[in-house]
Amino acid sequence: GENVEQHPSTLSVQEGDSAVIKCTYSDSASNYFPWYKQELGKRPQLIIDIRSNVGEKKDQRIAVTLNKTAKHFSLHITETQPEDSAVYFCAATRGASKIIFGSGTRLSIRP
Amino acid sequence: GAGVSQTPSNKVTEKGKYVELRCDPISGHTALYWYRQSLGQGPEFLIYFQGTGAADDSGLPNDRFFAVRPEGSVSTLKIQRTERGDSAVYLCASSLGLAGRGEQFFGPGTRLTVL
Repeated sequence: GENVEQHPSTLSVQEGDSAVIKCTYSDSASNYFPWYKQELGKRPQLIIDIRSNVGEKKDQRIAVTLNKTAKHFSLHITETQPEDSAVYFCAATRGASKIIFGSGTRLSIRP
Repeated sequence: GAGVSQTPSNKVTEKGKYVELRCDPISGHTALYWYRQSLGQGPEFLIYFQGTGAADDSGLPNDRFFAVRPEGSVSTLKIQRTERGDSAVYLCASSLGLAGRGEQFFGPGTRLTVL
């Protein structure tokens, strides 16, 4: 069945350094890949997304890359700040259908 | 406009009881989704509505779970004969559906605790 694998499960980086989270998906029909940030006790918030016809997308300090052939996609956060600490979820979906989420990465930014 | 809202925010019940969880989607969003999130895990898909009909209910764990959306707006997730393993945060999300690009907006969730 459909599956999204996410690594690492925890990540600790020095403030100002970069963080990278990687995901793979199984459903080759997936065409939309959102990334969500979830702070403790809060709802998931969309931070960036990418569609299958694009290889890379950037929004300020956040970028996402997609390799459809390998079914890999990654989140890159540069110049990390304390407020970036949260759990990040990658996900894959076919347009308006159900989202399949990864298991999450707990990102901690060390001062 | 207002985002997705869910009520109640917290629900504590006893094993074997019946519960209803409500979701109010963003106005104009035709697609509505229910997910369940256990501690330390990603949201797990339960069911998806396009308008009034359930387009995909493959995530419902068993026949104790049922959801309705009679008028194509508000949805209710119903759980019969609750079990301790049903304890989780139940998240609702909505999107523009087929007319949109797939972005789903989440509600704050209902934390269900079955004692």
